[in-house]
Order: sequence, then C-alpha cells, then structure tokens
Amino acid sequence: GAVVSQHPSRVICKSGTSVKIECRSLDFQATTMFWYRQFPKKSLMLMATSNEGSKATYEQGVEKDKFLINHASLTLSTLTVTSAHPEDSSFYICSANPGARGGKLFFGSGTQLSVL
Amino acid sequence: DAKTTQPPSMDCAEGRAANLPCNHSTISGNEYVYWYRQIHSQGPQYIIHGLKNNETNEMASLIITEDRKSSTLILPHATLRDTAVYYCIVRVAADSSYKLIFGSGTRLLVRP
Repeated sequence: GAVVSQHPSRVICKSGTSVKIECRSLDFQATTMFWYRQFPKKSLMLMATSNEGSKATYEQGVEKDKFLINHASLTLSTLTVTSAHPEDSSFYICSANPGARGGKLFFGSGTQLSVL
Repeated sequence: DAKTTQPPSMDCAEGRAANLPCNHSTISGNEYVYWYRQIHSQGPQYIIHGLKNNETNEMASLIITEDRKSSTLILPHATLRDTAVYYCIVRVAADSSYKLIFGSGTRLLVRP
C-alpha cells in the first residue's frame, strides 16, 4: 500500500526556535497533502491543506505566519513551526492523497513536538 | 466542524464481533464515509470507506443505512490488537480536492 513518511518522529526544541517537519509520499505523487495537530486524548484537528505549486489553505483559527507550509514538489510537503512556544507542543501528523477518485488518505506516523 | 457523532467508548470480548456505530445525519449525496483507527501515538490507519453500498475488506465490514444517515463498522473477530480509537469521518469537498474532518471517535477496548 501507499506509504507516507514523516520526519522527525520526535523533536525537542527551545522556546523561540523554529522547527521544520517533513512529509513525503514514498510511492505516489500527491498534489494535495494535509497537516493535522493532535493534543493528548483529543482528536485530530485539521490545520491546513498543502497544495503543490500554490499557497496552502489554512483552516479557520490557524495562523499562517506561525505555521509555514511549503509544498515544493509532488512528493514533499514541509511544515515549519516558527518561533515555537510551549503551547505549540503537540503531535503533528501529515497525510497525502494519491489522487484516485473516492480513494484513501494515507497518514504519516506523526511528529511529537516538545517546546521547552 | 465534524459531521459525525460516535459513542465515546465501547468494549467487547476478544473473539467476538465489535460493532461501532456512527451517526452522520447531515451527509450529502456525494460524500463518502471513511473509517480510520489510531493506536496511541501513531498516525491513523485506514480501515474502510464507502458511499452507499455496504463494503467489506480483509479488516472489516461497513454497513451504511439506506438513507445514509448512519453506518456501522464491524470487526468480525476482535483481537486485543484492535484496541484503538476508531474515527468515523465524512469526506467533504474542498476546492478541487477533499479533506477529512475528524470527529471525537470511539475508544474501543477489547477485553481478554
């Protein structure tokens, strides 16, 4: 089946630094990728839709200047958490759409971000 | 906003069928129903999806009511490894693509 690779799986950083998370589709091209965040014991919350070659579409309440998304190729999307603060600590998960009509979204294994 | 409602938790005995209900009364005619599950600190795993016909694969069966306002995921012989949070999702159109908006899910506990 299709595989989505997410890196790193875990990152610890100091407050004020920026962190980049990568999401790659390994065996298919994805014109659209999605970024979610998840707090402990909560459901996944969609943050933004990443579109190859164009600007990302952010969900209401998500700061686009805080969470920078770049989708420069058909197999790679990156999420950069800028000037991270402790409240940004969360589990970030990406997913990718192989493009088949009525098809599945495949999810990465997630990145646990801890901001000290 | 999520378009589905699920019971927060359920349990079943190992080896028995697990039937997980989902209500999606506001679903539109061209919106698919998806089921994913998530084991702690991992990415969601695809289980099954359907539009209006019942579906079956190696993992589960999906029963969708005729009016499409609700569905049931059936794990025919639950094992301890099926303990997870199960999400019923309605796929919504978004620009030229679609997106999955997760609801709160059902925490399934499979008992030995």
